Amino acid sequence: DGGITQSPKYLFRKEGQNVTLSCEQNLNHDAMYWYRQDPGQGLRLIYYSQIVNDFQKGDIAEGYSVSREKKESFPLTVTSAQKNPTAFYLCASSYQGQETQYFGPGTRLLVL
Amino acid sequence: GEDVEQSLFLSVREGDSSVINCTYTDSSSTYLYWYKQEPGAGLQLLTYIFSNMDMKQDQRLTVLLNKKDKHLSLRIADTQTGDSAIYFCAESNPRTGRRALTFGSGTRLQVQP
Repeated sequence: DGGITQSPKYLFRKEGQNVTLSCEQNLNHDAMYWYRQDPGQGLRLIYYSQIVNDFQKGDIAEGYSVSREKKESFPLTVTSAQKNPTAFYLCASSYQGQETQYFGPGTRLLVL
Repeated sequence: GEDVEQSLFLSVREGDSSVINCTYTDSSSTYLYWYKQEPGAGLQLLTYIFSNMDMKQDQRLTVLLNKKDKHLSLRIADTQTGDSAIYFCAESNPRTGRRALTFGSGTRLQVQP
């Protein structure tokens, strides 16, 4: 059953804590993306990766970090430097050279 | 620059047609997309249109593209209560070298039974 999975569905962060959101895909897609969604707003790009071991900053990368050690996985770390992390985080993937993106179910991050 | 705009809310009665509109500013966009988001869920790709097309139909969905006015619309025929969701318009422009989509703020469609 091919698709994109994100875990956990809900995540709670304490003050000063780093947390990592998981994104895995078995679609054999080359490119992966992380977006942030705030209420009443569209999606904003955090980071993207077009190939293993390479990634680029998006529009709102400050306070976030990523890695792309495997084609299937693109974890996002929300660091303590991100002062307003409460949001819905969406991961997406696509084939290299194609713009059509497919999305995971999302992770909602809340601050305690 | 890239900017995508949508109206925030649309309410229709079950069985009527819904038309959701979107405007974009980047004339070199290659693909334009419509995604659907149900509460608490990710985005589901509904349909997309290549920029050299004027219209695309897929069952109850019709996409119209007016490239001169940079206007995109999604028509849903015979709207059902299950169509209630937020609909996002998005554009891609691979010429920027950044293979990511630019999204509108979404239109919330409410279908009244």
